[in-house]
Amino acid sequence: AQSVAQPEDQVNVAEGNPLTVKCTYSVSGNPYLFWYVQYPNRGLQFLLKYITGDNLVKGSYGFEAEFNKSQTSFHLKKPSALVSDSALYFCAVSRGSTLGRLYFGRGTQLTVWP
Amino acid sequence: GAVVSQHPSRVICKSGTSVKIECRSLDFQATTMFWYRQFPKKSLMLMATSNEGSKATYEQGVEKDKFLINHASLTLSTLTVTSAHPEDSSFYICSARDLQDYNSPLHFGNGTRLTVT
Repeated sequence: AQSVAQPEDQVNVAEGNPLTVKCTYSVSGNPYLFWYVQYPNRGLQFLLKYITGDNLVKGSYGFEAEFNKSQTSFHLKKPSALVSDSALYFCAVSRGSTLGRLYFGRGTQLTVWP
Repeated sequence: GAVVSQHPSRVICKSGTSVKIECRSLDFQATTMFWYRQFPKKSLMLMATSNEGSKATYEQGVEKDKFLINHASLTLSTLTVTSAHPEDSSFYICSARDLQDYNSPLHFGNGTRLTVT
């Protein structure tokens, strides 16, 4: 079975500091990994994905994520947080053969304070 | 970029009535669309997979007679909440993937806030 764990419900960071939002996954076969962001009362916006290739993936708005196969992790990072980054972040996984059917983590609320 | 339009963004209805939510892919075709439900401060729960020209596939525990899904064309899927009750109040989000780009991510609509009074 496929699953995603986001161990932190909430992450707080000061503006200008680096941020990390954690994600670990469990999937049979090769994982397709995604990060999405959701602002209040809105749908999800795609940030980045890992399918194959370089373990470090760069995405929108300065975010990046590192795929670590041995630790089955795909943590989201940004070198310098902005107040406008405050939102709900979701990690998701699908198996390569069922791309499109995503399994989501429970979400992590990121708050960046000025 | 690919855009998914969801309408209405917000709807209030009385208990016992039915509500239809539309999901359109504006600049791409999608044989498959997905309907999610999101509870406050909770993750997204996949309700069903909408397949163009065939019956939707419902997740376990989702009542298919209550949540009617129709995918009549490659750009439109609809979710009808029939005989709505207050417990159906939630945030419903649709998503779709570009048929022409196998590796493209899912694109999400902006969601529909349903309130049943």
